[in-house]
Amino acid sequence: RKEVEQDPGPFNVPEGATVAFNCTYSNSASQSFFWYRQDCRKEPKLLMSVYSSGNEDGRFTAQLNRASQYISLLIRDSKLSDSATYLCVVSGNSGNTPLVFGKGTRLSVIA
Amino acid sequence: DVKVTQSSRYLVKRTGEKVFLECVQDMDHENMFWYRQDPGLGLRLIYFSYDVKMKEKGDIPEGYSVSREKKERFSLILESASTNQTSMYLCASLEQGAEAFFGQGTRLTVV
Repeated sequence: RKEVEQDPGPFNVPEGATVAFNCTYSNSASQSFFWYRQDCRKEPKLLMSVYSSGNEDGRFTAQLNRASQYISLLIRDSKLSDSATYLCVVSGNSGNTPLVFGKGTRLSVIA
Repeated sequence: DVKVTQSSRYLVKRTGEKVFLECVQDMDHENMFWYRQDPGLGLRLIYFSYDVKMKEKGDIPEGYSVSREKKERFSLILESASTNQTSMYLCASLEQGAEAFFGQGTRLTVV
């Protein structure tokens, strides 16, 4: 099965820092892309979808580069509450193509 | 509010027992998934289903089976539980091309 790869971290950054995560995927036919956030001992929750044109939601910016098959997530002005594991998720568009998860990147924001 | 509900949050079973993990979604999604999550290994796909009575093996189906008799319910079965099946089990559902919604997870311990 095709894979999604992420730097596992951990990324330890001070409050207020800007941090960027990258994710590469191997299936060029992938159609949908997401970033999920997972807190310790909790289920993953959608942070944002990733669109071809790039998209922003407050302090978070996601970008997709189809030619190079990578996705990025930028977090500006990091808060303590941003500490979590960030999962890159890729899926195809056909009914029998499952979601593929990266192993996640651990972020710790330090006061 | 969308919901994916897993039958148990915590479960302790003995080696050799037959274990049923139930997952119900109220969003009329066609696609449902079972993952397990272990430290350092990320989310690994066990089985998925893209329609009633349809099932597909994921990356690690050995020792598991599934049942999808109704659209809203996807059951994971451990025919004879073993200690190496101690893990966090996560159910997810989605409409193809859109985000996935997760249940709260079942932490299974096999003793």
